[in-house]
Amino acid sequence: GAVVSQHPSRVICKSGTSVKIECRSLDFQATTMFWYRQFPKQSLMLMATSNEGSKATYEQGVEKDKFLINHASLTLSTLTVTSAHPEDSSFYICSARLNSGSADTQYFGPGTRLTVL
Amino acid sequence: QKEVEQNSGPLSVPEGAIASLNCTYSDRVSQSFFWYRQYSGKSPELIMSIYSNGDKEDGRFTAQLNKASQYVSLLIRDSQPSDSATYLCAVRNYGQNFVFGPGTRLSVLP
Repeated sequence: GAVVSQHPSRVICKSGTSVKIECRSLDFQATTMFWYRQFPKQSLMLMATSNEGSKATYEQGVEKDKFLINHASLTLSTLTVTSAHPEDSSFYICSARLNSGSADTQYFGPGTRLTVL
Repeated sequence: QKEVEQNSGPLSVPEGAIASLNCTYSDRVSQSFFWYRQYSGKSPELIMSIYSNGDKEDGRFTAQLNKASQYVSLLIRDSQPSDSATYLCAVRNYGQNFVFGPGTRLSVLP
């Protein structure tokens, strides 16, 4: 299957700082990537859809100025949590869409666990 | 009605039994259907995709799709304790968006 990486896997930061998370598709090009957040024992929550070369589409209730998304190339999307606060502590997971004719599938990165002190 | 519905579980089955996981969806013109497995503390991993009515088998896993009933299921034969996880159903709808169900937690008892 296709491989998606995320970096860092775990980050601890102080309240008020910004944190950047990278998502890379390693063996395919992804015009579309997705960012999810998951709190313990809860479902995946889609935050935004990231399209290469254009602005991200945010889900209702997700602040675009707080969660900055950049999809500058076909293999890299970044999520920056600006002025992070303890309530932003969560498991952030990206996925990349592989669309190869008959197959159109999402592959997930391993996730980034963010803890804001 | 939610777009993709799953029983949250937990579904408990004894080791060696068949685990049956079900999913219904509301968008009648949905195109593609996926099952992901998510272990606790990890991200989802793709198990199977299915695009046409009927059964699709891959090892111990069988996906079943019935578009008329808007129903997709995943059967796990010879369940093992290592199969204990949350199973997510995902549907790619007419708008080309992926919609995930809330997941069913499966527990395979030794």
